[in-house]
Amino acid sequence: DADVTQTPRNRITKTGKRIMLECSQTKGHDRMYWYRQDPGLGLRLIYYSFDVKDINKGEISDGYSVSRQAQAKFSLSLESAIPNQTALYFCATHAVDTNEQFFGPGTRLTVL
Amino acid sequence: ELKVEQNPLFLSMQEGKNYTIYCNYSTTSDRLYWYRQDPGKSLESLFVLLSNGAVKQEGRLMASLDTKARLSTLHITAAVHDLSATYFCAVDMYADGLTFGKGTHLIIQP
Repeated sequence: DADVTQTPRNRITKTGKRIMLECSQTKGHDRMYWYRQDPGLGLRLIYYSFDVKDINKGEISDGYSVSRQAQAKFSLSLESAIPNQTALYFCATHAVDTNEQFFGPGTRLTVL
Repeated sequence: ELKVEQNPLFLSMQEGKNYTIYCNYSTTSDRLYWYRQDPGKSLESLFVLLSNGAVKQEGRLMASLDTKARLSTLHITAAVHDLSATYFCAVDMYADGLTFGKGTHLIIQP
């Protein structure tokens, strides 16, 4: 089984709709991250969390919110989706001992 | 603000040739990552470089880090078609998230 999972894997929604992307991990890592990837722009950080009570904005947090329900779960919400939020979204965890970041499979979101 | 620049952004090369991808970054950091991404897939970790002068090799890929020059290189030796992918470097300052370069789209032709 994958250590970092994301649901849904693909989602098409309409402008103005609320949508939640979910991330779960079995690696036991405290630190979790949400990134978005746009063609030609690499990945950019949306939010990150060092533990359940510590949530921080990243480079492009406007229009997004997050919830850390437990050590293993970190959800990303778009309160009112807009077309320029169409992107590939990745969740990641960070291993403090090795400094590696492990990425989930990604969620492809299309906002019409 | 931390900036990470990769070059080239696109590279087409022949099998058997050697080439180097460069990654420059703007602020002192001693944590540099290289990832591979295949089309439609997630990121696969290749190397984590954690100190000045670090060098790591895996198969035909070798990565190095010069923190004084704020430069990392990913060297490809005797390229094969299976190495065709997009390669990203990323820098981490305080484990508060990675800052990525735009990626190098590598095509290796027979």
